[in-house]
Amino acid sequence: ETGVTQTPRHLVMGMTNKKSLKCEQHLGHNAMYWYKQSAKKPLELMFVYSLEERVENNSVPSRFSPECPNSSHLFLHLHTLQPEDSALYLCASSPGQTSNEKLFFGSGTQLSVL
Amino acid sequence: AQSVTQLDSQVPVFEEAPVELRCNYSSSVSVYLFWYVQYPNQGLQLLLKYLSGSTLVESINGFEAEFNKSQTSFHLRKPSVHISDTAEYFCAVSPMNSGGYQKVTFGIGTKLQVIP
Repeated sequence: ETGVTQTPRHLVMGMTNKKSLKCEQHLGHNAMYWYKQSAKKPLELMFVYSLEERVENNSVPSRFSPECPNSSHLFLHLHTLQPEDSALYLCASSPGQTSNEKLFFGSGTQLSVL
Repeated sequence: AQSVTQLDSQVPVFEEAPVELRCNYSSSVSVYLFWYVQYPNQGLQLLLKYLSGSTLVESINGFEAEFNKSQTSFHLRKPSVHISDTAEYFCAVSPMNSGGYQKVTFGIGTKLQVIP
């Protein structure tokens, strides 16, 4: 148990659906992250929030929309996705004090886009 | 910018045999080095990290990694593997002085399969 909880664990959606992924941490961390994990590819950093402010957006298509309403919660809103968006989406957090901290990962949401 | 290369996508090894998982990196700035492990149906968790000082770092479950600056490598080793070590291992780097959040670059991962 890392202290980072992601829901749902599995999600199947059509290309026209709208869904949201949720991430929650009660570790008192100030930084939260969304990563995409696809087979045979390195983990891709999608978004970073530091103190509830988005500080990184790595050329992610607009069909992915993050939201960080407070320091404990992070959402990833999905709409009009493509089949190539099927992947494991991992949320992570870190204390946000120094640049050598470890990342605390959730178990991920396995997304399938039909 | 940073990049991480893990040349071996899969490594099968018999139980109680030694293993080495290779990692090379490139970076235009100084970096911290990490190994993360991902067990089936779980997220990644930190195995060990190198920040400074002794170039050999150890984990609590018998893994060790050695930082070699001249070869820009951070290979992971274990002298005797156990079935429970079956997992995917990710090498990662993070630039020093990146501020209050982590700009971690991961390798593609190496799947370690321990054979009984």
